[in-house]
Amino acid sequence: DSGVTQTPKHLITATGQRVTLRCSPRSGDLSVYWYQQSLDQGLQFLIQYYNGEERAKGNILERFSAQQFPDLHSELNLSSLELGDSALYFCASSVESKGWYTFGSGTRLTVV
Amino acid sequence: TQLLEQSPQFLSIQEGENLTVYCNSSSVFSSLQWYRQEPGEGPVLLVTVVTGGEVKKLKRLTFQFGDARKDSSLHITAAQPGDTGLYLCAGAAAGGGADGLTFGKGTHLIIQP
Repeated sequence: DSGVTQTPKHLITATGQRVTLRCSPRSGDLSVYWYQQSLDQGLQFLIQYYNGEERAKGNILERFSAQQFPDLHSELNLSSLELGDSALYFCASSVESKGWYTFGSGTRLTVV
Repeated sequence: TQLLEQSPQFLSIQEGENLTVYCNSSSVFSSLQWYRQEPGEGPVLLVTVVTGGEVKKLKRLTFQFGDARKDSSLHITAAQPGDTGLYLCAGAAAGGGADGLTFGKGTHLIIQP
């Protein structure tokens, strides 16, 4: 157990739907990062939050959004889902804004 | 956009052999990290290298950061089946900017008994 908790572990949904992925960071970590992993693109950085504030944006689509709550857990919202959004979504956390990451076990999203 | 190229993409060798995987970029990184990922799990940090030319050893694994901080290598001695996994390098941008790590696509390593 890495200390980073992601739910759900698996999610199957239809095209056009909206889903929410949840992440609880490791105790004491203030930064949360979201990554998308697919076979052809590898791990792609989506977005980072630090202590409730958006800190950096990567290759995140406009259909996707995220937030970090006062208790530091984070949610990634994916809307108008397309087949190509099927992937593993990982959350990672770190103590400071930079440094090494602790990853969760991921959410496998399948859009059918 | 900073890119990290990892090679080889796939590697399958026999138990007991040695191997080296590479991570190359045209960009300079303030630090570089190596992770190992097993099926169904998230990446797990193996090592962080910060100084150009730095060499770190973790049991049978030797990590080296290039002098110019643009590349790195991972050498495994006497590979074992337990070393099987996806090895990812990740770089932190030098000079500030976005804090998200840039990951390579990884090397899929299979050690056959």
